[in-house]
Amino acid sequence: GESVGLHLPTLSVQEGDNSIINCAYSNSASDYFIWYKQESGKGPQFIIDIRSNMDKRQGQRVTVLLNKTVKHLSLQIAATQPGDSAVYFCADRNYGGSQGNLIFGKGTKLSVKP
Amino acid sequence: KAGVTQTPRYLIKTRGQQVTLSCSPISGHRSVSWYQQTPGQGLQFLFEYFSETQRNKGNFPGRFSGRQFSNSRSEMNVSTLELGDSALYLCASSSTPITYNSPLHFGNGTRLTVT
Repeated sequence: GESVGLHLPTLSVQEGDNSIINCAYSNSASDYFIWYKQESGKGPQFIIDIRSNMDKRQGQRVTVLLNKTVKHLSLQIAATQPGDSAVYFCADRNYGGSQGNLIFGKGTKLSVKP
Repeated sequence: KAGVTQTPRYLIKTRGQQVTLSCSPISGHRSVSWYQQTPGQGLQFLFEYFSETQRNKGNFPGRFSGRQFSNSRSEMNVSTLELGDSALYLCASSSTPITYNSPLHFGNGTRLTVT
């Protein structure tokens, strides 16, 4: 994931709507991508992952889309619920460097309005 | 299956002191990695251990060190604490090393405050 600066982007959605959270990555050689959800006071929780040989993967209420051409990853949450309120961030596996091979984005804060 | 357990949850230390944080991975996981999370820098990789061997290290000073025991439990030590070390320290475990296609599973972290 790329750095998005000191302030987290925020996405505010109405309960029941679909949410789309976006993430850009910088290394075209990245071949594995993960989405995490982090609630206040907790550690990041694994949501879904996708390998670079796929462009879409679905889980329970979540879908991850991968566009390698533009190095873009998105997480779609269907029928967003108040319990989905959290910070979401992506990670991509990036060989080499000093980041342990996983590069984490800074995250997007999702707020769900009841 | 129990998740990743980190102790303690909160720590308050003064500058110059040292601190040891503990992490118990998910049963059967042999890879443990440590991250520092701050509002400004996000998640920064500290180091990764697999089968008691350090496989990779991030860009942190030598004051940050770690180790892994034969039961895969890991400890992280920070010596000569500085104010800038205040952060949430997260431990993550995985069944395989980070270089493989398996996600990291995180604990809830240790919140370290240095005064």
